[in-house]
Amino acid sequence: DAKTTQPPSMDCAEGRAANLPCNHSTISGNEYVYWYRQIHSQGPQYIIHGLKNNETNEMASLIITEDRKSSTLILPHATLRDTAVYYCIAPNNAGNMLTFGGGTRLMVKP
Amino acid sequence: GAGVSQSPSNKVTEKGKDVELRCDPISGHTALYWYRQSLGQGLEFLIYFQGNSAPDKSGLPSDRFSAERTGGSVSTLTIQRTQQEDSAVYLCASSLEAQTPSEQFFGPGTRLTVL
Repeated sequence: DAKTTQPPSMDCAEGRAANLPCNHSTISGNEYVYWYRQIHSQGPQYIIHGLKNNETNEMASLIITEDRKSSTLILPHATLRDTAVYYCIAPNNAGNMLTFGGGTRLMVKP
Repeated sequence: GAGVSQSPSNKVTEKGKDVELRCDPISGHTALYWYRQSLGQGLEFLIYFQGNSAPDKSGLPSDRFSAERTGGSVSTLTIQRTQQEDSAVYLCASSLEAQTPSEQFFGPGTRLTVL
C-alpha cells in the first residue's frame, strides 16, 4: 500500500467548503485513492475513490493532481454532522484490505 | 436497504473466557472483512473471506483468533481465552467483491471489553 500523509486536524466553518489534503507521493499507477470517514463511535463510512480523473458524488468531490502524488477531498458545504476523522488510503493488495492510519480530524464549527 | 449488522453491540467478558462475535453482511456481497480498532487507534485488518476461496488469515494476531463464514453469508469471529489486550472495537465490512476498486460497507462494530 502506498504511504499516505494527512494533517492531523482541521477546522471548518459550517456552510463553508472543507478541503482535506492528502499526500501519496509513492502511489503506483494502478493504486486507487480511497476516502473514508469515521464519525465518533460509528463504523467507517465510504466517501469516494478515484484513480486519475477527478470524481464527484453526492457526498464529496475528489481532486487528484496530474502526477497523482496528492489529492484533495472537498466537502462543498460542510455541516456539523460532517465532524469526523477522514482517512485517505491507497490499498494495493489482492484482497483490497484497508489499513487506516491517523487521518485528519475535521471539526465543523457553527 | 439493510446494511451490515453486528451482534452483540457490546460484550464484557472475563479474562480467559471465549467470545463469539457475529456479522451479517449485505446480501449479495461476496467479500467479508473483519477489522479491529483499539481505543484512539487506526484500523487493523484481521481476516477476509472472498466467495468460496480460502480466507486470508494473514492479519490474525494469534492462534486464539479464528473466523468462519457459513454459506457465504453470516460470519463469526471467535476469540479463545481472551486477554485484556483483546479489548477493542471489532468491525465487520462487506463489499461486492474483494478487488480494487470496491467500496466496503462497515457495520457498527462490537465493543469488546476483557476484564
